[in-house]
Amino acid sequence: DTEVTQTPKHLVMGMTNKKSLKCEQHMGHRAMYWYKQKAKKPPELMFVYSYEKLSINESVPSRFSPECPNSSLLNLHLHALQPEDSALYLCASSQDPWTLGTGPRTYEQYFGPGTRLTVT
Amino acid sequence: GEDVEQSLFLSVREGDSSVINCTYTDSSSTYLYWYKQEPGAGLQLLTYIFSNMDMKQDQRLTVLLNKKDKHLSLRIADTQTGDSAIYFCAERSLGGATNKLIFGTGTLLAVQP
Repeated sequence: DTEVTQTPKHLVMGMTNKKSLKCEQHMGHRAMYWYKQKAKKPPELMFVYSYEKLSINESVPSRFSPECPNSSLLNLHLHALQPEDSALYLCASSQDPWTLGTGPRTYEQYFGPGTRLTVT
Repeated sequence: GEDVEQSLFLSVREGDSSVINCTYTDSSSTYLYWYKQEPGAGLQLLTYIFSNMDMKQDQRLTVLLNKKDKHLSLRIADTQTGDSAIYFCAERSLGGATNKLIFGTGTLLAVQP
C-alpha cells in the first residue's frame, strides 16, 4: 500500500479564518513533507518532518504552522492567509533519509491527492 | 547549484511513442524520478533511476540517462489518451542529509485520439 490520504479535498476560507489540513500515511514512513503547488508550476517544498521533528522549514510565513502529532499524521494549520496563498497543498511521505543502511537508497516520495485551497 | 529543465509541451497521437526530456545540473551521485500529475490530482511516482545506470525499463516506460550530458528521458510506448497529464522529472542529490527533491518545470503531454 503506497497511499497517502489528505483531507479535505477542497477548502474555501476567508482571510480571518483558522483551518487545518490533514495528511495520513500507513506505510511506516518516518519522513513527511508539505508542498505548495500553484497552477502549471512544479511543487515547492514548505516543510519536512523526520521522526516527528521539524527538520526543514523553507522560510515559510508563520501563518502556516505545521504539526506532526505522530508518525502517521501530519497537519498544516492555517491562520490569516492571503489570497495569494490559494494553491494545491500536497503532502508526501518517504523512508527517512537519515536511517543508516548499506548503499544508496531511493527514498522515493509518495504524494497524496492534495487539498485545493481557495482564500477569499 | 541545482536546476532541472524540461520542455513545456508535447503532443502525440494515440498509439505513437512519446519521449519527454529533462536536463539536470547536479554532478554528484543522484536519484532521478519521473512523476505524473493528472488534472486536479496529486503526483504519482512512475519510475526512478540511479545515476550509475544508463537505462531502466518498466512495462511501457523506458528511462534513458546520459550522464555525460546530464540528460534524462522518459519514453512511453503505445501512448494512450489516459497518459495525458503533466510529467515532472525530479532530482535528489545524495550529497546532503536531506531528501529534498528538485523538480523540473513539467511537460504537458497531450495525446490526440
